[in-house]
Amino acid sequence: AQSVTQPDIHITVSEGASLELRCNYSYGATPYLFWYVQSPGQGLQLLLKYFSGDTLVQGIKGFEAEFKRSQSSFNLRKPSVHWSDAAEYFCAVGAKDGGSQGNLIFGKGTKLSVKP
Amino acid sequence: ETGVTQSPTHLIKTRGQQVTLRCSSQSGHNTVSWYQQALGQGPQFIFQYYREEENGRGNFPPRFSGLQFPNYSSELNVNALELDDSALYLCASSFAGVVGGYTFGSGTRLTVV
Repeated sequence: AQSVTQPDIHITVSEGASLELRCNYSYGATPYLFWYVQSPGQGLQLLLKYFSGDTLVQGIKGFEAEFKRSQSSFNLRKPSVHWSDAAEYFCAVGAKDGGSQGNLIFGKGTKLSVKP
Repeated sequence: ETGVTQSPTHLIKTRGQQVTLRCSSQSGHNTVSWYQQALGQGPQFIFQYYREEENGRGNFPPRFSGLQFPNYSSELNVNALELDDSALYLCASSFAGVVGGYTFGSGTRLTVV
């Protein structure tokens, strides 16, 4: 079955420190992979996506993610965290079967807190 | 681009009632999906419409139904509301489904009492 696992429920980092959020997926075919961010009471904003090609993808707000097929992982990174990055982060895999347009399967999310 | 807009933003209903949530897709998008996000959880796929027809459905009972209109706006209807239906309901639209990437609205917070 298709699934996404985000092992860390809550992470706290100091402002200016580096960040890595983990994501592992289970999907039979080549996956479409996404990272979204959600601020409290808000919808989801797309940070970056991977479909094919270069396994290191750049996104908005200084985020990047690396696709590792051998580890079924798509970890999100940022070299220097800002206080405004405090939010919940969701990894998702795009599941597309047959003639469907495809839908997203989300992990349970990782809440990021930033210490001043 | 106007983005994806949802209405209302908040709603309180009584168990057993029916509710309709509305979504206006981003301009140019022909696919709309609905997700349910319970507190502390990731969004769960409810169903999806493409060119006014249901194009995929998650593990939700038939009392969750929807429509997509010719202008690609959409409704989510939930009958016989249960307490567990309390959640944030997110609408997302896309030009080419998952390949095009989905743009999400800010959601409707439904509370069932």
